[in-house]
Amino acid sequence: SQQGEEDPQALSIQEGENATMNCSYKTSINNLQWYRQNSGRGLVHLILIRSNEREKHSGRLRVTLDTSKKSSSLLITASRAADTASYFCATDVFGNEKLTFGTGTRLTIIP
Amino acid sequence: GAVVSQHPSWVICKSGTSVKIECRSLDFQATTMFWYRQFPKQSLMLMATSNEGSKATYEQGVEKDKFLINHASLTLSTLTVTSAHPEDSSFYICSASLATDTQYFGPGTRLTVL
Repeated sequence: SQQGEEDPQALSIQEGENATMNCSYKTSINNLQWYRQNSGRGLVHLILIRSNEREKHSGRLRVTLDTSKKSSSLLITASRAADTASYFCATDVFGNEKLTFGTGTRLTIIP
Repeated sequence: GAVVSQHPSWVICKSGTSVKIECRSLDFQATTMFWYRQFPKQSLMLMATSNEGSKATYEQGVEKDKFLINHASLTLSTLTVTSAHPEDSSFYICSASLATDTQYFGPGTRLTVL
């Protein structure tokens, strides 16, 4: 399987703390994206980082990409109860729109 | 903008029946739509890529005769699960491509086959 791996599989933290989740992938990529999925719902696009970028910010989100290690991290700062969800990374390769999703991290924010 | 809808949001059917799921891009034209399946507490697995006016491209291991995909217009793709069985019970999600690196996802359809 070409599916990426994410760790941890599950993460529980107190509200206000920072949450970090990691994604590793297997092939050279064009883009890496992070998505959020609330239970039983569709996916919400969070952020896209291109293979020639190393870091990107969006509000409370910070994404890093290390293509030499084929890995990415998503940091959510000052977590809120509403951040409780599953988070997935997804990669695509040059010339192909298909996304390959990671295994996901279930994040629980404890109020 | 870039809203994708799915209908129905959930469906329960008897084993052996067929179920059709619609995916619509509401405010943009999508030349490509994708269909994913997600089992409980698992990730999304791509089933097929659907291009308007041409045959869908199925991923390895996905039966094209069981999961019929029709992409009749730039805003509508349908997935028909034929002769559904309990093992087909899953969460089916579509996405539509607006640009080559951006996919917008529908809210998903939960299929339960009794």
